[in-house]
Amino acid sequence: LAKTTQPISMDSYEGQEVNITCSHNNIATNDYITWYQQFPSQGPRFIIQGYKTKVTNEVASLFIPADRKSSTLSLPRVSLSDTAVYYCLVGDGNFNKFYFGSGTKLNVKP
Amino acid sequence: EAGVTQFPSHSVIEKGQTVTLRCDPISGHDNLYWYRRVMGKEIKFLLHFVKESKQDESGMPNNRFLAERTGGTYSTLKVQPAELEDSGVYFCASSQVQGGDRGEQFFGPGTRLTVL
Repeated sequence: LAKTTQPISMDSYEGQEVNITCSHNNIATNDYITWYQQFPSQGPRFIIQGYKTKVTNEVASLFIPADRKSSTLSLPRVSLSDTAVYYCLVGDGNFNKFYFGSGTKLNVKP
Repeated sequence: EAGVTQFPSHSVIEKGQTVTLRCDPISGHDNLYWYRRVMGKEIKFLLHFVKESKQDESGMPNNRFLAERTGGTYSTLKVQPAELEDSGVYFCASSQVQGGDRGEQFFGPGTRLTVL
């Protein structure tokens, strides 16, 4: 199971764009890249998923280079409510299980 | 639509006792997963059900843990006897089908287990 490496923490200010990069050097051909958000005392919540290039939804964008050994989650114009832990997960094509790394604790300041 | 629910939200037991955690997945979701985070560590996969069958239980720590999903609906995770190192938060997640273009797992709020 491919492991992931992310920065432990990041600080940002309201209204800024935040980019969190994740390394997954051992990603396999059929692995997808998924990002989850977790608030204290809650379960992780799905943000976005992709396989290659760029994926965008209503809350975030995911950039994946051609070699797929890393990915970047982009949160446009963060607010205080975006303060949370963000996990980059790599799972196989059947999504049988996720490997949760340490995650990135994002702290958004006013 | 109701999300994944877990019961209890918090359980405090003494070492050597038995505890049973319950997870109700989203209706219609065939896949059910158990994860846990012990103190200070990362969230780790425990096992995966497809309907009532155990698809992958490679993450189960030892034979004190027993997971069931009779009838392919809700699942229980029993810890017997509980040890101090079992303390942590146990998450359940469910998803609709294997494969596909969106393998989103929906997580419950977790059960916080404290073993004294």
